[in-house]
Amino acid sequence: QSVLTQPPSVSEAPGQRVTISCSGSGLNAAYWYQQLPGKSPKLLIYFDDLKPSGVSDRFSGSRSGTSASLAISGLQSEDEGDYYCATWDDTLNGPVFGGGTKLTVL
Amino acid sequence: QEQLQQWGAGLLKPSETLSLTCADYRGSFADFYWAWIRQSPGKGLEWIGDINHTGSTNYKPSLKSRVTMSVDTSERQISLKLTSVTAADTALYYCARVLTDGSGTYYNIVYWGQGTLVTVSS
Repeated sequence: QSVLTQPPSVSEAPGQRVTISCSGSGLNAAYWYQQLPGKSPKLLIYFDDLKPSGVSDRFSGSRSGTSASLAISGLQSEDEGDYYCATWDDTLNGPVFGGGTKLTVL
Repeated sequence: QEQLQQWGAGLLKPSETLSLTCADYRGSFADFYWAWIRQSPGKGLEWIGDINHTGSTNYKPSLKSRVTMSVDTSERQISLKLTSVTAADTALYYCARVLTDGSGTYYNIVYWGQGTLVTVSS
């Protein structure tokens, strides 16, 4: 089973840009989910860099090889929460999630 | 009305069976899969398995011996049963709607239910 590694936490000031990394030898197409405090997760990015309708342009994704990144620009206090990357795992025959990154907007 | 409504027992004793149901009231039922995903307190997300409208299932190997998922297309309901629970099964359980081809080419968890907290304690 693949292991996806994310930093436990990141922080940045309002209005700034932050990136969250996700790496793992089994990482192929990357998905990103946002979980705001007390809420259910929400799909932010699929297929590395595509956004579902309704997701702000402040969010963007990218991948290079077995490392993916989620960038959030123009940080707002309402962006505070946990962010999870995920990818398909052929051994699992299902998705595997990273450990999550807690974003704090200072 | 919520897109996905979940319900089930929230407090279990060790060795009992967890039983949760999820109803999906939106969209074409045949277009989606439904996954069950759990989140242990303060921890990350763990995929348990998924099912489609035909009843075809796919379970996480380490849980396969204890998991059963089923679907009732007439009621638009999906159910999860997990037998012989222990404290390690204490978690927030999510039902989620998935867009996938079934082979992993894509696996978009497009909507998550509100979650059901299940606590296993003697």
